[in-house]
Amino acid sequence: EPEVTQTPSHQVTQMGQEVILRCVPISNHLYFYWYRQILGQKVEFLVSFYNNEISEKSEIFDDQFSVERPDGSNFTLKIRSTKLEDSAMYFCAARMGNTGELFFGEGSRLTVL
Amino acid sequence: AQTVTQSQPEMSVQEAETVTLSCTYDTSESNYYLFWYKQPPSRQMILVIRQEAYKQQNATENRFSVNFQKAAKSFSLKISDSQLGDTAMYFCAFINPYGGATNKLIFGTGTLLAVQP
Repeated sequence: EPEVTQTPSHQVTQMGQEVILRCVPISNHLYFYWYRQILGQKVEFLVSFYNNEISEKSEIFDDQFSVERPDGSNFTLKIRSTKLEDSAMYFCAARMGNTGELFFGEGSRLTVL
Repeated sequence: AQTVTQSQPEMSVQEAETVTLSCTYDTSESNYYLFWYKQPPSRQMILVIRQEAYKQQNATENRFSVNFQKAAKSFSLKISDSQLGDTAMYFCAFINPYGGATNKLIFGTGTLLAVQP
């Protein structure tokens, strides 16, 4: 069983539409992250989440983005009104305590037309 | 702020040969973790090897080993007996998990490795 499961694997949407990407880590993870990778570019940090609140966010994570973990399992990233430049691979990651290792999901490829 | 630098955007190696990917990092902390992640064309992020900074012994995982030089802040990855399936983007990454919830994994820009038959 994978440590982190992401859905959908690929989503195509029209510019201006709302998108929700979902992540399900196994239950003993405490820290959660979203990263973004535009095709051919580096992996960029978006946001970290701990104890049901955002602990850190990057300058990319503007008002169009939000995260939540409403039921204690699913960890979601919402993009309120997608732009062409939001097209990227989005990775969810989780870690336990102070082990250091992040477990990555398989990624969600977002294509904005 | 911590930074991770990979100075080799692309590398090529012949099948069965050995290749070394370079990584340097900058931090003022003494306890941290370093990782090498592999990203094949599927774009999945796969952990290759990890090194805890307090351990002096270099980590090894089958054909993969690291040369961890803490004083020089260097963390290179050696792939022995390269295989076609090793063709991928390789990312070096740093994290200090001891500071609590705000610590994140910081990635280098990646090295694209091509294994030639």
